[in-house]
Amino acid sequence: DAGVIQSPRHEVTEMGQEVTLRCKPISGHNSLFWYRQTMMRGLELLIYFNNNVPIDDSGMPEDRFSAKMPNASFSTLKIQPSEPRDSAVYFCASSFRRPRELFFGEGSRLTVL
Amino acid sequence: KQEVTQIPAALSVPEGENLVLNCSFTDSAIYNLQWFRQDPGKGLTSLLLIQSSQREQTSGRLNASLDKSSGRSTLYIAASQPGDSATYLCAVSGGETSGSRLTFGEGTQLTVNP
Repeated sequence: DAGVIQSPRHEVTEMGQEVTLRCKPISGHNSLFWYRQTMMRGLELLIYFNNNVPIDDSGMPEDRFSAKMPNASFSTLKIQPSEPRDSAVYFCASSFRRPRELFFGEGSRLTVL
Repeated sequence: KQEVTQIPAALSVPEGENLVLNCSFTDSAIYNLQWFRQDPGKGLTSLLLIQSSQREQTSGRLNASLDKSSGRSTLYIAASQPGDSATYLCAVSGGETSGSRLTFGEGTQLTVNP
């Protein structure tokens, strides 16, 4: 299995621009998670889906952030408009509902200037 | 609210040494506990998953134990190698009522010197 696939690996953009991060979970997994990692705050859960349905988005910082999962093999995390404080590594992870062993992608490193 | 603490924050050992990383959590009502490894600039790699009903799991030179009642887990690494150098994170998953949310510790940064 190819594992969780994220794109782009690196993104540099200017403040105010729209950013879209993409994720392909492991085939057969029915839970998908978006995390953000920074030096200051460590790993933060932004949102997770079960069977393509958003279950908990309480970690989404504000309305500028949105996530979708149109089908079982694809999810996006969008930031519009982006701000410098959004600079971080964004990870996508997937698992079976049980036993919930989590598998992470390589991450998307976002820099907002 | 679940809180996860890892001690020490950093550890430097000579090659060949056996070592123990510690993880503690405040709410014992967990579904499972998972240990991860993270190399610089990389994602997290799952090392071991311990279900709440289990006491330990082993994979190669790694052994993880779980004591739910005391809110503790340890990751034992035998005969450490320079390639083990990485940050090790533990994370706990709550019960069904808390959904699939994982709470992570801050990690232990391990350096194994040749």
